[in-house]
Amino acid sequence: GQQLNQSPQSMFIQEGEDVSMNCTSSSIFNTWLWYKQDPGEGPVLLIALYKAGELTSNGRLTAQFGITRKDSFLNISASIPSDVGIYFCAGQGTSGSRLTFGEGTQLTVNP
Amino acid sequence: NAGVMQNPRHLVRRRGQEARLRCSPMKGHSHVYWYRQLPEEGLKFMVYLQKENIIDESGMPKERFSAEFPKEGPSILRIQQVVRGDSAAYFCASSRWTSGSSSDTQYFGPGTRLTVL
Repeated sequence: GQQLNQSPQSMFIQEGEDVSMNCTSSSIFNTWLWYKQDPGEGPVLLIALYKAGELTSNGRLTAQFGITRKDSFLNISASIPSDVGIYFCAGQGTSGSRLTFGEGTQLTVNP
Repeated sequence: NAGVMQNPRHLVRRRGQEARLRCSPMKGHSHVYWYRQLPEEGLKFMVYLQKENIIDESGMPKERFSAEFPKEGPSILRIQQVVRGDSAAYFCASSRWTSGSSSDTQYFGPGTRLTVL
């Protein structure tokens, strides 16, 4: 089945630093999504990417859909303590179909 | 403007009992997806349903697990004769995707954490 490789598994950074994480796949996806999950909660959508090469921003977050449709990255600029959580990438083959998730990046921000 | 609702939030069952997890999609959404998350892992797809129809159940274990999304009421994920390995967080997501649209978004509920003793 399809698999997503997400890296790094965890990151420990100081408040104010920038963060970058990425996902790669052996299969093509038509949609890439980035979610954040806080402890005891469900994933919350951060950014959705629908076109290869697309670069999209949401506040301090920027994500790109790789031109090959097999990868995506998420950048967080000027991190703050509330950025702490687990970030998941997810790929979708066709509209309306299942999501395939990466294993997550655990982000810790030290004040 | 309620989001996806799941209940119960926590469920404890003994081995051999049945677990019923409920999901009410967002208003206007007719597509429901169930995912399972083991500790320290990502979410794994289980089943995709529309009203009264199972669209994709390729992620569902062949035995003991079933799902439904009736015309009226919430979607139900049912696990019969639970075993310790069923302990996990189960998340429901909903979308309003319709055929012909180029994009959709799956919104997730808060999950049900099942513990099997």
